[in-house]
Formats: sequence, C-alpha cells, structure tokens
Amino acid sequence: NAGVTQTPKFQVLKTGQSMTLQCAQDMNHEYMSWYRQDPGMGLRLIHYSVGAGITDQGEVPNGYNVSRSTTEDFPLRLLSAAPSQTSVYFCASSYFPTSGASSYEQYFGPGTRLTVT
Amino acid sequence: DAKTTQPPSMDCAEGRAANLPCNHSTISGNEYVYWYRQIHSQGPQYIIHGLKNNETNEMASLIITEDRKSSTLILPHATLRDTAVYYCIVRAYTGTASKLTFGTGTRLQVTL
Repeated sequence: NAGVTQTPKFQVLKTGQSMTLQCAQDMNHEYMSWYRQDPGMGLRLIHYSVGAGITDQGEVPNGYNVSRSTTEDFPLRLLSAAPSQTSVYFCASSYFPTSGASSYEQYFGPGTRLTVT
Repeated sequence: DAKTTQPPSMDCAEGRAANLPCNHSTISGNEYVYWYRQIHSQGPQYIIHGLKNNETNEMASLIITEDRKSSTLILPHATLRDTAVYYCIVRAYTGTASKLTFGTGTRLQVTL
C-alpha cells in the first residue's frame, strides 16, 4: 500500500490565485480529513469527510472547499489564495470506528508546503 | 473533547526511558487518550491509545491513572530517531473519527 499520498509537495501561489491540493489513499478508508499546521502550532482541522458524497466543516474552513466523489480521493481547493493561508497542509484517513474496531488510528500524508506571496 | 496539558519540552538521554506526561483532568468516561508524534516536518504518526487500562505495543506503553485525569507515554529505550513533538489527544469514540484536536505537544529531544 502507498498509504496516504499528497501532491504537490511544495507550491508557491500569488495572492488571489486558486489551486487544488490533491490527496489520495489506497486503504479503503471511509474517513478523510484536511489539517493545516502553522509554524510552532498544532494541527487544525479544515474539512473532513465520512464517506463519498459527504463532507463537513472543521475548525478553520473559510477559504477552502472540498468534495468527495470517490472513497480514494479528497481534494482541497483554495478559492482565492491569501498570505494567511501560507501553511503546511496534511491529509489524513482512517477507518470508520464501528463497534469492535481496533482504533481511531489516523494515517497522515507527508504534507504540502504552501506559500502565498 | 477534554483539553490536555503537556510540558512544552523534555530531554532524554539515548537508551534511557522517556516518560512524557499529560494532564486531562476534565476527561469524560467515554473519552480515549491518544498519542501521536510528529518527526521534524513529517505527517503525524499514531503511537498508542487507551481508555482506562494500561496499554503496550511495539512502540510504547501508555499508563493511565486510576482516576483517568492524567497519563504517561513511555518510550522504554529512547533513540535519536525518537526526537519529535509528541501530542496527547483526548477524544470520544464517536462517528466523527477525523476530528482529532491537536495542541502544541511536547518537544522531546533525545541526546547522546
């Protein structure tokens, strides 16, 4: 298994540009989510999805859109990039925590480092 | 979710046990304690979790006090590769598995 993959690894945008951060997982996980991590800070949840066609907002959703058309993919779209969105973005996935499931273990991707000038 | 308190940094000599404390005095009965770590700028890595019993796996041990208000993550023989930020997270076992709340964690420095 490749696990959770993210592309690109690095990206520089100008203010006002839009782009899509890609995230894919090959573990057949129902749950996928996006976090951002600013320097010296912990991770903050942007959006998450509990399955194909279902998404919801996290702690810091403004300026970002998501969709989940397949189990495998969960892209994050920046609508109009702003310098405040300069951050490292992590995608994560996990199984649905049904009764008897072993854990809430989330698998994280390697991150996308985004700079907005 | 219950909030957690961790020391901002700790040092440990290589080969010794690293004991990382976490306070979660407002934890509820259905909330689990999870530990993740983040090495340099990589994505966080799951370590271990528990509800009320002590847990052990190939990476670490988790000791939860009887009143569940605090816990300790133990790395039995720390190596330089264990240098990382360690996050203690308290989370209810519900359908919203994705919503882990990360604080600023403990930065563990393992030295020779």
